[in-house]
Amino acid sequence: GNSVTQMEGPVTLSEEAFLTINCTYTATGYPSLFWYVQYPGEGLQLLLKATKADDKGSNKGFEATYRKETTSFHLEKGSVQVSDSAVYFCALPFMNTGFQKLVFGTGTRLLVSP
Amino acid sequence: DAGVTQSPTHLIKTRGQQVTLRCSPKSGHDTVSWYQQALGQGPQFIFQYYEEEERQRGNFPDRFSGHQFPNYSSELNVNALLLGDSALYLCASSALAGQETQYFGPGTRLLVL
Repeated sequence: GNSVTQMEGPVTLSEEAFLTINCTYTATGYPSLFWYVQYPGEGLQLLLKATKADDKGSNKGFEATYRKETTSFHLEKGSVQVSDSAVYFCALPFMNTGFQKLVFGTGTRLLVSP
Repeated sequence: DAGVTQSPTHLIKTRGQQVTLRCSPKSGHDTVSWYQQALGQGPQFIFQYYEEEERQRGNFPDRFSGHQFPNYSSELNVNALLLGDSALYLCASSALAGQETQYFGPGTRLLVL
């Protein structure tokens, strides 16, 4: 079945540093790919998505490119802020009986210090 | 436009009790999915409802059951609570019979003592 592997955290950065969080996937076909973010004490928010190969999703300065050659969807940001401290989840849908559920990675915690 | 809402926000129960969690989907959405997120883990799929029927189910015991109402809102029921049921329960809604992007609510944090 579909699965996602994320780099382990925590990732600790200083403000304005460059961020990369790695995500690789195993899937049948070419499903959409998602990044969700979870701020402390909150639910999940959709950060960005890409629906087909070579698509680049972007939002709030974050970007991720759907690369089918390397089955990857790495999350990047050029200059992180303290407010970006959160847990980031890579996810992809798994279709069954015509309906899709989301399969998540284990999450990567990002800590940004001033 | 209100997003996905869940109630209550927090809940404390004791082992053996039963609990009901509630979810109202985002306007225009017809499909509700429930996920369990244990501390430090990614969300795990419990089940999904569309047209008031359970459409698919994850690897959870029958103690976990649900319901969807004609207005698309949903309930998650857990019977005979175990300590291991302590988690954040997330509801997600989506449109077009679950084919579209899922949007999550803030979650209900359940603590079983």
